[in-house]
Amino acid sequence: KQEVTQIPAALSVPEGENLVLNCSFTDSAIYNLQWFRQDPGKGLTSLLLIQSSQREQTSGRLNASLDKSSGRSTLYIAASQPGDSATYLCAVAMNTGFQKLVFGTGTRLLVSP
Amino acid sequence: DTAVSQTPKYLVTQMGNDKSIKCEQNLGHDTMYWYKQDSKKFLKIMFSYNNKELIINETVPNRFSPKSPDKAHLNLHINSLELGDSAVYFCASSQYSSGRLYEQYFGPGTRLTVT
Repeated sequence: KQEVTQIPAALSVPEGENLVLNCSFTDSAIYNLQWFRQDPGKGLTSLLLIQSSQREQTSGRLNASLDKSSGRSTLYIAASQPGDSATYLCAVAMNTGFQKLVFGTGTRLLVSP
Repeated sequence: DTAVSQTPKYLVTQMGNDKSIKCEQNLGHDTMYWYKQDSKKFLKIMFSYNNKELIINETVPNRFSPKSPDKAHLNLHINSLELGDSAVYFCASSQYSSGRLYEQYFGPGTRLTVT
């Protein structure tokens, strides 16, 4: 059974810092991995999707890497801003059937001005 | 233009009642999902439909019955509501073609409170 863990559970940083969020999964037979952000009381916004054959994806100040064999992904946020404050979730799509998403436990990020 | 919309946004009801949540997507996707986010913010899939056909049913009590009248709509009906059903329910959609699952897009959620 796939288990997805995110460390740290919460993170507080001053504006301008570069930071790394971690995601680990127990079963490496994944199809892809997706990073989302969730603002309080809101739905999820997709940030980046990495296919299992890829090593990283970049979008603006965000860079996500994937090491499938070791069961790890990181989300790097450069020059953090208060607007980045949110909960960040990673989710893996299993490489079986219709590849349902299994979500991690989330990292709650607070960037202070 | 809202991509994935859900109604209602908030739902407060008493134990034992029956209620429905509706979801619509205008992205032209062929796959839709229902997720439940509990009080600890953990998100777990409940159901998935592909081209109106149920493809994922994750050991959800049979008081929960999804219905997909067409590819753009997925509704969730809940019978005999219990306190433990209180949660935020998210609808999502994606395109699934040629064995590839593309990004999932989420609705804003429906916060269900059972008293």
